[in-house]
Amino acid sequence: AQSVTQLDSQVPVFEEAPVELRCNYSSSVSVYLFWYVQYPNQGLQLLLKYLSGSTLVKGINGFEAEFNKSQTSFHLRKPSVHISDTAEYFCAVSVGTYKYIFGTGTRLKVLA
Amino acid sequence: GAGVSQTPSNKVTEKGKYVELRCDPISGHTALYWYRQSLGQGPEFLIYFQGTGAADDSGLPNDRFFAVRPEGSVSTLKIQRTERGDSAVYLCASSNWTVHEQYFGPGTRLTVT
Repeated sequence: AQSVTQLDSQVPVFEEAPVELRCNYSSSVSVYLFWYVQYPNQGLQLLLKYLSGSTLVKGINGFEAEFNKSQTSFHLRKPSVHISDTAEYFCAVSVGTYKYIFGTGTRLKVLA
Repeated sequence: GAGVSQTPSNKVTEKGKYVELRCDPISGHTALYWYRQSLGQGPEFLIYFQGTGAADDSGLPNDRFFAVRPEGSVSTLKIQRTERGDSAVYLCASSNWTVHEQYFGPGTRLTVT
């Protein structure tokens, strides 16, 4: 069975500083990987996805993630965060085209 | 275009009552998914529809939960004899079968008192 671990429940970071949100997954088969962002009282919005090909994936709002098969990781990064990036971030995996398995989320708090 | 919509946005009900939660997917999306998000947790898969049929309902916690999608568009999640443990945000998502991306609605916050 697949599983996702987000190692940090909360990450505080100052505005304009870089940030990395960690995600590790467990699967015996190839997976698709996703990062979603959830702003307060809103639904999930896709930031980026890895399906195949280049292991460095660029998404919206200046975020990127790198798929590392040997370490079974898919960490999310942004070189310079803004106050507006404050939100909950979820990593997810899927086998096939449905049934996403989500991590427990990382709350990013950007400080002025 | 319009995204996934869910109604109601909030639902408060008493223990033991029956509730229905509605999801309107993006027009043309053949796949529809329900997830449940408890406080402090990530969304958990409940059920997946491809067209009108439930292709995978392995995530439904027990037989009090049921979902339908009679015309292959709108879906309703039905919960009988609600319990306080059913309190959560219920998320709906839809996708085009050929695209590996699910589009989520804003969710329905269910509170069972």
